Amino acid sequence: DAGVIQSPRHEVTEMGQEVTLRCKPISGHNSLFWYRQTMMRGLELLIYFNNNVPIDDSGMPEDRFSAKMPNASFSTLKIQPSEPRDSAVYFCASRLLRDSPLHFGNGTRLTVT
Amino acid sequence: DQQVKQNSPSLSVQEGRISILNCDYTNSMFDYFLWYKKYPAEGPTFLISISSIKDKNEDGRFTVFLNKSAKHLSLHIVPSQPGDSAVYFCAASNNDMRFGAGTRLTVKP
Repeated sequence: DAGVIQSPRHEVTEMGQEVTLRCKPISGHNSLFWYRQTMMRGLELLIYFNNNVPIDDSGMPEDRFSAKMPNASFSTLKIQPSEPRDSAVYFCASRLLRDSPLHFGNGTRLTVT
Repeated sequence: DQQVKQNSPSLSVQEGRISILNCDYTNSMFDYFLWYKKYPAEGPTFLISISSIKDKNEDGRFTVFLNKSAKHLSLHIVPSQPGDSAVYFCAASNNDMRFGAGTRLTVKP
């Protein structure tokens, strides 16, 4: 299995631009999570999906953030417009069952200048 | 809201000795707890877990202890090896999964 695949690995953009981060979960996993890692807040849960349905998006910082999961094999996290304070590493993770470990991708390092 | 807390940002131990990493949580609804290890430029990787019906789980050099009354869990690594040097995250789950801020472990040869 290829594991959770995130793209791009690095993204550098200017303030005000739209940014789209992509994630392919492990085949057969039915839950997908998006996290943001910063020095101040550690690994912060943004949103998670069960069976492609968003369950809890209370961690999404602002309306500038949106996430979709159009099918079981693909999810996107979009920031529009981006701001310098959005600079962080964004992780996607998936799991098979409720009480099973999350498997993480290698993250997307976002830099907004 | 920091529902999962790791109060020690860093820990340094000598090779061969025991490493003890601690974690506290506030939400009594959490029923599944995990430890992850993270190297730079990689995603966290699963290390060991424990269900709330247990108080100890062991896997080789790694043991996780859970004290539900104190809402506290810990990870013991015995013996510690230089390759264990990484950032360790504890996590707690009840449908979603919340993480602590991490503890950087350095094992000195």
